[in-house]
Amino acid sequence: QSALTQPPSASGSPGQSVTISCIGTSSDVGNYDYVSWYQQHPGEAPKLMIYDVSKRPSGVPDRFSGSKSGNTASLTVSGLQAEDEADYYCSSYAGSNNRVFGGGTKLTVL
Amino acid sequence: EVQLVESGGGLVQPGRSLRLSCAASGFTFDDYAMHWVRQAPGKGLEWVSGISWNSGSIGYADSVKGRFTISRDNAKKSLYLQMNSLRPEDTALYFCAKSRWLAGSHFDYWGQGTLVTVSS
Repeated sequence: QSALTQPPSASGSPGQSVTISCIGTSSDVGNYDYVSWYQQHPGEAPKLMIYDVSKRPSGVPDRFSGSKSGNTASLTVSGLQAEDEADYYCSSYAGSNNRVFGGGTKLTVL
Repeated sequence: EVQLVESGGGLVQPGRSLRLSCAASGFTFDDYAMHWVRQAPGKGLEWVSGISWNSGSIGYADSVKGRFTISRDNAKKSLYLQMNSLRPEDTALYFCAKSRWLAGSHFDYWGQGTLVTVSS
């Protein structure tokens, strides 16, 4: 149950796009289309942003998109806005009723 | 409106026990799997344990296996986490979260968490 690998930080200016990677293994990200992404603002609970690799829950702006290639999943935020500044975590099903999270990426809007 | 409200956190000495609870409302509790996810101060999220709708399937992170026990009471719409042999590294904010299935699906709602501090 090793954590997924995310870059500690990412940044972009308002209006730009930024992509956050999430590297797993053939036992988790590479084996299941059950990758999800969560946004967490300081002092708040995480919020679901993307599920099943690329699906958006109702209410999440279409500026947020997800994809996967092999053992690597990605979250792209287009048209960056100030309120997008937060921590982002990826998660994957890892078999045998287990889940694994990434270490988190702090997104800064410059 | 979906609500998940955790309780039972506090300061506890190493080696002692604590029981967390999560009260659910706003959805059909026994239609969903439930999970505990923790976050150490200033650190990332760590999945702790999950339980299926009927308690028939359960999973634990290696870090808590043999020490923590997850359970649920569908009549009371409540989720529990019995934590034994607590260690300083168990210090964290403990969230409960729901998912449609134990095997695979995402965490669609989270509570606000209850803080557990393990220290002498």
